[in-house]
Amino acid sequence: DAGVIQSPRHEVTEMGQEVTLRCKPISGHDYLFWYRQTMMRGLELLIYFNNNVPIDDSGMPEDRFSAKMPNASFSTLKIQPSEPRDSAVYFCASTPFEASPYEQYFGPGTRLTVT
Amino acid sequence: DAKTTQPTSMDCAEGRAANLPCNHSTISGNEYVYWYRQIHSQGPQYIIHGLKNNETNEMASLIITEDRKSSTLILPHATLRDTAVYYCIVRVVSGAGSYQLTFGKGTKLSVIP
Repeated sequence: DAGVIQSPRHEVTEMGQEVTLRCKPISGHDYLFWYRQTMMRGLELLIYFNNNVPIDDSGMPEDRFSAKMPNASFSTLKIQPSEPRDSAVYFCASTPFEASPYEQYFGPGTRLTVT
Repeated sequence: DAKTTQPTSMDCAEGRAANLPCNHSTISGNEYVYWYRQIHSQGPQYIIHGLKNNETNEMASLIITEDRKSSTLILPHATLRDTAVYYCIVRVVSGAGSYQLTFGKGTKLSVIP
């Protein structure tokens, strides 16, 4: 199993540009999570999906952030327009078991730098 | 969710067992203990979880005391690749909830050659 796949691994962009982060969860996993991690704020859950349906997006910072999951094998997190404070490592995670929702498998992350 | 307390850092000789303690004295009966680790510049990695019985998998063993107020994660033969920050968290597993993982400061384990 390839694990959770994220792309790109690194993204450097200028303020105001649109950024799209991509995630392919582990096959058969029903839940998909988007997190971001910074030194100041630690790990923050942005949104999660169950069977491609967004369940809780209360962690999405503002309307500049949007996430989609068009099918079971692909999700995107989009930031438009990006701002320097969005600089962080963004992780995608998935889990197969509704009985153990905290058994999450993380991708390698996308390190986003907004200048 | 119950609060957890872990030592800030620990050293372990390569090849020896690493025993990482976690205190969760306010844990309630329906809360599980989960362990994760994060190697530098990598994503968090799930290790193991348990409710009250001891658990073992290919990565580690989890020993939970009978009163469930503390637990120990055991890496039986530590290697240099086990150098990471280890997080102990406590969560209620139910059909509802945000399923958010929140890590405290954790224990920085350094495996020494």
